[in-house]
Amino acid sequence: AQTVTQSQPEMSVQEAETVTLSCTYDTSESDYYLFWYKQPPSRQMILVIRQEAYKQQNATENRFSVNFQKAAKSFSLKISDSQLGDAAMYFCACSAGGTSYGKLTFGQGTILTVHP
Amino acid sequence: GAGVSQSPRYKVAKRGQDVALRCDPISGHVSLFWYQQALGQGPEFLTYFQNEAQLDKSGLPSDRFFAERPEGSVSTLKIQRTQQEDSAVYLCASSPRQGGRETQYFGPGTRLLVL
Repeated sequence: AQTVTQSQPEMSVQEAETVTLSCTYDTSESDYYLFWYKQPPSRQMILVIRQEAYKQQNATENRFSVNFQKAAKSFSLKISDSQLGDAAMYFCACSAGGTSYGKLTFGQGTILTVHP
Repeated sequence: GAGVSQSPRYKVAKRGQDVALRCDPISGHVSLFWYQQALGQGPEFLTYFQNEAQLDKSGLPSDRFFAERPEGSVSTLKIQRTQQEDSAVYLCASSPRQGGRETQYFGPGTRLLVL
């Protein structure tokens, strides 16, 4: 079983600034994966970044990076040089293989507003 | 190439009606998931298919919910005798292979409103 908690219902950032979205998780699996997905208003959910739990190195994708603290079960997302197009609902999610089949357990989401 | 598509995009049903929601996954994708997303919340898992086999239906909220993927491609989620609490966005996602590390590609969702 897995649980994912996002404690920030809303965050805001000025264009070109940096913002960090928080996420904590709990899982009984030893082999699991963590994701950040972005859901713009009325648009499809898309993957932002993925972290494999067995890798110590934090994942990065252009302006997006994570701070993965395995012992603390923390997985935060940092967005650098924020752009207006980054405004969306962001979901942290966890999955595992085996008999979990990769189904995603999502947090409650964080609404990110970007101010020009 | 084409992404995941879902139809209809919006559905209004009277309480007690049956509805059928369709998902066309990306061609060749083995895994197909259905999620239910209440307003302002994160999606919650409903059911999982590997090709035509439904391997996990632990998230289906009641026996009024039924899903199928008979030929391992298109999937249909059916809700019988709809209730107001069924109002939500129903998301379909597919991935190329089975496994926890796979990226899931989501469709636009079907927004169901039960009156």
